[in-house]
Amino acid sequence: QSALTQPRSVSGSPEQSATISCTGTSSDVGSYNYVSWYQQHPGKAPKLMIYDVSKRPSGVPDRFSGSKSGNTASLIISGLQPEDEADYYCCSYAGSQTWVFGGGTKLTVL
Amino acid sequence: DVQLVESGGGLVQPGGSLRLSCAASGFTFSGYWMYWVRQVPGKGLAWVSRIKYDGTYTSYADSVKGRFTVSRDNAKNTLYLQMNSLRAEDTAVYYCARDYSSVPDYWGQGTLVTVSS
Repeated sequence: QSALTQPRSVSGSPEQSATISCTGTSSDVGSYNYVSWYQQHPGKAPKLMIYDVSKRPSGVPDRFSGSKSGNTASLIISGLQPEDEADYYCCSYAGSQTWVFGGGTKLTVL
Repeated sequence: DVQLVESGGGLVQPGGSLRLSCAASGFTFSGYWMYWVRQVPGKGLAWVSRIKYDGTYTSYADSVKGRFTVSRDNAKNTLYLQMNSLRAEDTAVYYCARDYSSVPDYWGQGTLVTVSS
């Protein structure tokens, strides 16, 4: 149950795009499409932004998208807005009814 | 609206016990699997446990297996986490979350557990 690997920080200018990667193994990200992404502002609870690799819950802007290739999943945020500045976490099903999260990425909108 | 409200956190000595509760409203609690996830202040999220909608199946992270027990009372719309043999490394904010398509979707605001002498 080792944590998924995410970059510590990512930055981008308003209206540009940012991509956050999430690298796991063939036992988690590589084997299942149960990859989700969460946004967390300071002092707040996490908010689900993407599930099943690329699906958006109702109410999440279509600027947020997700993809997966092999053992690496990615969250892509296009048209960055100031309110997108937050911590982002990926999560994957890891088999045998266990889940694993990434270490988190701080997104800075310059 | 979906609401999850955790309670029961606090300061406890190493080796002690604590029971967390999560009161659910705004959805049919008895129809959903539920999670506990924790976060050390300033650090990342870590999955702790998951329980089936009827309470008949549970799973745990290796770090808490044998010490923590998840349960639920569907009549009271409440999720529980019994934490025994607490260690300093269990210090964290504990969140309950609802399951959607095998991932947590709605989360509570969390309750802080501090294990210290």
